[in-house]
Amino acid sequence: QKEVEQNSGPLSVPEGAIASLNCTYSDRGSQSFFWYRQYSGKSPELIMSIYSNGDKEDGRFTAQLNKASQYVSLLIRDSQPSDSATYLCAGVSGGSYIPTFGRGTSLIVHP
Amino acid sequence: KAGVTQTPRYLIKTRGQQVTLSCSPISGHRSVSWYQQTPGQGLQFLFEYFSETQRNKGNFPGRFSGRQFSNSRSEMNVSTLELGDSALYLCASSSTGTGNTEAFFGQGTRLTVV
Repeated sequence: QKEVEQNSGPLSVPEGAIASLNCTYSDRGSQSFFWYRQYSGKSPELIMSIYSNGDKEDGRFTAQLNKASQYVSLLIRDSQPSDSATYLCAGVSGGSYIPTFGRGTSLIVHP
Repeated sequence: KAGVTQTPRYLIKTRGQQVTLSCSPISGHRSVSWYQQTPGQGLQFLFEYFSETQRNKGNFPGRFSGRQFSNSRSEMNVSTLELGDSALYLCASSSTGTGNTEAFFGQGTRLTVV
């Protein structure tokens, strides 16, 4: 069974710090990965996608993928209270169209 | 460019009733997926439609059904509602629905079954 695992948290970081969110996946055939941010009571919002090993940076966000270790992470630099949300990791297996979502990690950025 | 639109935003139904939810994808997107989100189970995949055909289906009972129209708009129907069907129902659209295509969610429909 394909699984995407995330620590539910909450992960609490001070404003201005780097928040590190991690995700592991069981299916070695997974090729595409996505990070979504979901505020309480709202729908998930896509913030990053990553398809190859290494780092991908977009503003304050950096996604990291290590296929050998089956590990995906999201770094948020200069964390702000507005970053407080649940972050969902999703992976898609090769040949599949449907992402498997983790349960999400709750991030709290305190002033 | 308009995003994914779901209607209605909120619904309250009684056990045993049926309900139909609607999703209009981003213009040009041909794949629509439906998810159920509850605090206990997270995001659970219901089904995916591409060019009016159901291409993938999750592990939900037959009470959950859907369809897609020629303009890519999709509807989801739940018959004989149960209390456990109370959830946030989300649809996501993507251009082709292939694995490396980004999917974008609508605002969701919050269904409460009483």
